[in-house]
Amino acid sequence: AQSVTQLDSHVSVSEGTPVLLRCNYSSSYSPSLFWYVQHPNKGLQLLLKYTSAATLVKGINGFEAEFKKSETSFHLTKPSAHMSDAAEYFCVVSDRRGKLIFGQGTELSVKP
Amino acid sequence: DTAVSQTPKYLVTQMGNDKSIKCEQNLGHDTMYWYKQDSKKFLKIMFSYNNKELIINETVPNRFSPKSPDKAHLNLHINSLELGDSAVYFCASSSDRDEGMNTEAFFGQGTRLTVV
Repeated sequence: AQSVTQLDSHVSVSEGTPVLLRCNYSSSYSPSLFWYVQHPNKGLQLLLKYTSAATLVKGINGFEAEFKKSETSFHLTKPSAHMSDAAEYFCVVSDRRGKLIFGQGTELSVKP
Repeated sequence: DTAVSQTPKYLVTQMGNDKSIKCEQNLGHDTMYWYKQDSKKFLKIMFSYNNKELIINETVPNRFSPKSPDKAHLNLHINSLELGDSAVYFCASSSDRDEGMNTEAFFGQGTRLTVV
């Protein structure tokens, strides 16, 4: 069965410092992995996706994630946080039927 | 030019009532979904339809009944609403798999249902 675990429920960084949101996955086959962002009272927006083409995936707004099979990880990073990055971030794995299995979410706070 | 739109955005209703949430996508996708987000922000799939056929039906009370009149629409009808049904409900759609890998889902803005 597919599953994802987000290792931090809350991350707080200062504006201009790096962001690291951690995600580990479990999959019995080559996974499709995604990061989604949800701003307060908004819908879910895709940040990036891994579909086996390249292990380092670049997304929108300067975010990127690296797929590491040996570590079963798909951590999300950004070199420099911006105030507008404050939101809830979800690591997601997809099963063969297209069903998305969400992690518990990581709330990112950005301090001025 | 909204890709996945759902109405209403907010819905406040009394226990025992019946209500519907509508969803439409203009992306030409074959698959549509309903997800439920609880008060702790945890998201879980409820249903999935592909070309109007039910594909995924998670453990959801049968008071919840999805209806797909065509592949661009997936509505959610809820009978005899209970307090525990209060949540945010998201509609989503996706295209068929690309080179064997699942494509991303596009989400609507959500419907915040409050049962009082």
